[in-house]
Amino acid sequence: QKEVEQNSGPLSVPEGAIASLNCTYSDRGSQSFFWYRQYSGKSPELIMSIYSNGDKEDGRFTAQLNKASQYVSLLIRDSQPSDSATYLCAVGVGGGYQKVTFGIGTKLQVIP
Amino acid sequence: KAGVTQTPRYLIKTRGQQVTLSCSPISGHRSVSWYQQTPGQGLQFLFEYFSETQRNKGNFPGRFSGRQFSNSRSEMNVSTLELGDSALYLCATTTGGAHNEQFFGPGTRLTVL
Repeated sequence: QKEVEQNSGPLSVPEGAIASLNCTYSDRGSQSFFWYRQYSGKSPELIMSIYSNGDKEDGRFTAQLNKASQYVSLLIRDSQPSDSATYLCAVGVGGGYQKVTFGIGTKLQVIP
Repeated sequence: KAGVTQTPRYLIKTRGQQVTLSCSPISGHRSVSWYQQTPGQGLQFLFEYFSETQRNKGNFPGRFSGRQFSNSRSEMNVSTLELGDSALYLCATTTGGAHNEQFFGPGTRLTVL
């Protein structure tokens, strides 16, 4: 079992729709959860971080964390073609130092 | 505040050669992590340095090594290059504290011929 699992996609959604990206992780000691966006040929860019159960909203992005189910998701409202990218889920395990493990990433395609 | 910088941006080498990549962190960031990214494997963790000490290491052969200097700049070295080492090499830096928000540099694209 991989430590951080994501569906590689592609996930195709029409412009204006809600895109839902999902991620599961195996280590119950995980404490930090991150979503990165990576455009083709570019490096990952941090878009959301979440540390406690529940929802965290930032503009059109909402991160959701459920530690009991070991599940973290990213919702993108009013999806735009510019949101087309690969979205990487990352999970941090540890205390003072955290080892961060990345999922394979989900490729999102927003269709105009 | 300046972002993470990596040099060089592109490299072409032949099998058997060695290569050194450099990463300069965001000011105040003391932790530098290195990753290898390939289409099939995604982001694979190489190693992490904090205050000139390697704190964690991924599952890569000894041909991959790194170091960190007192100004937090880091280098990684790959010796005896193989075709399979062709990849995007990324460094990510953090303050090294409890919440490890990592910020990536633009990467070095290494092609081994």
